[in-house]
Amino acid sequence: DAGVIQSPRHEVTEMGQEVTLRCKPISGHNSLFWYRQTMMRGLELLIYFNNNVPIDDSGMPEDRFSAKMPNASFSTLKIQPSEPRDSAVYFCASSLASGGARETQYFGPGTRLLVL
Amino acid sequence: AQSVTQLDSQVPVFEEAPVELRCNYSSSVSVYLFWYVQYPNQGLQLLLKYLSGSTLVKGINGFEAEFNKSQTSFHLRKPSVHISDTAEYFCAVSDLGGYQKVTFGTGTKLQVIP
Repeated sequence: DAGVIQSPRHEVTEMGQEVTLRCKPISGHNSLFWYRQTMMRGLELLIYFNNNVPIDDSGMPEDRFSAKMPNASFSTLKIQPSEPRDSAVYFCASSLASGGARETQYFGPGTRLLVL
Repeated sequence: AQSVTQLDSQVPVFEEAPVELRCNYSSSVSVYLFWYVQYPNQGLQLLLKYLSGSTLVKGINGFEAEFNKSQTSFHLRKPSVHISDTAEYFCAVSDLGGYQKVTFGTGTKLQVIP
């Protein structure tokens, strides 16, 4: 299996621009997570999808952030407009939902975002 | 709500020496416990997890961890570290009765010195 695939791996943009991050989960996994990692705040859960439905988006920082999962093999995280404080590494992770909280999460390599 | 405390942000250790990375958690309910490792410029990957049963859990790359319910700890150990173990290690907890929300600690950077 190719693992969780994220694109782009690096993104440099200017403040005010729209940024779209993409994720392809492991085939057969029906849970998907978006995380943000910064030095100051560590690893934060932004949103969790189960069977393509958003279950918990309480970690989404504000209305500038939105996430979609149109099908089982694709998800996007969009930031519009972007701000310098959004600079971080964004991870996508997937897992099986059948085992609940005991399941391992499989992380992608991350997208390193720099907003100038 | 759960929380995880990793007391050491950085741990330097000489190659072939033993190491212990400390983790304490707080929760009002029973939990599952995890250790993940993050190598430079990579995503996190699972080292080991405690679900139930034996309190000593063995993971990949020679690591093991011991669940201590009375002390609410889940410390990670390795008897002899290698240069390739240089990475950041995250302790994490999830609620047995909840969905798959995992709360991560702030991480411990293990630096193995040749």
